[in-house]
Amino acid sequence: QKEVEQDPGPLSVPEGAIVSLNCTYSNSAFQYFMWYRQYSRKGPELLMYTYSSGNKEDGRFTAQVDKSSKYISLFIRDSQPSDSATYLCAMNLGAQKLVFGQGTRLTINP
Amino acid sequence: SAVISQKPSRDICQRGTSLTIQCQVDSQVTMMFWYRQQPGQSLTLIATANQGSEATYESGFVIDKFPISRPNLTFSTLTVSNMSPEDSSIYLCSVEEPNNYGYTFGSGTRLTVV
Repeated sequence: QKEVEQDPGPLSVPEGAIVSLNCTYSNSAFQYFMWYRQYSRKGPELLMYTYSSGNKEDGRFTAQVDKSSKYISLFIRDSQPSDSATYLCAMNLGAQKLVFGQGTRLTINP
Repeated sequence: SAVISQKPSRDICQRGTSLTIQCQVDSQVTMMFWYRQQPGQSLTLIATANQGSEATYESGFVIDKFPISRPNLTFSTLTVSNMSPEDSSIYLCSVEEPNNYGYTFGSGTRLTVV
């Protein structure tokens, strides 16, 4: 069993839709949770960084962490074609290596 | 956030040869990380490079295959040695941002071994 599970998709939605991306994990000791966006032929770009359970909002993006269920989510509101990318969840214990999900390939159709 | 310059951005290499990838950061950082991203897969940590000490390698990765240098607090290199087609991947360096602001990645080196 992988430490972090993420549905690789692909996921295709119309422009303007709300997108929900999710990851589950098995190590209850993980404390820091991140979402990265990776465009084709580019390195991952940090979108959201959260610590502990709860919600964090930044513009059209909301990151949600439920440590009791070992489940994290990223919501994208008013999705745009420019949001088309691969989204990777990542987590660690703090000052430790990041453990990544497989990444979900997302396409927003105009 | 830190700005990372990684080069080369891509290369096509013959099997049996070696390639050295460079990573330059615009600020001093304690730890630098090297990842591999195989086609269609997620990122896997190869090793952690601290200045002034030997790199720490993850399970499945060895120094003879992936020697790393860390001569100062802003620079590191990863060498992929005696390459085979199975080494075809994207290689990325990363640094931890201060004040718990996550990790920043370079743009990656896309390596194809033929």
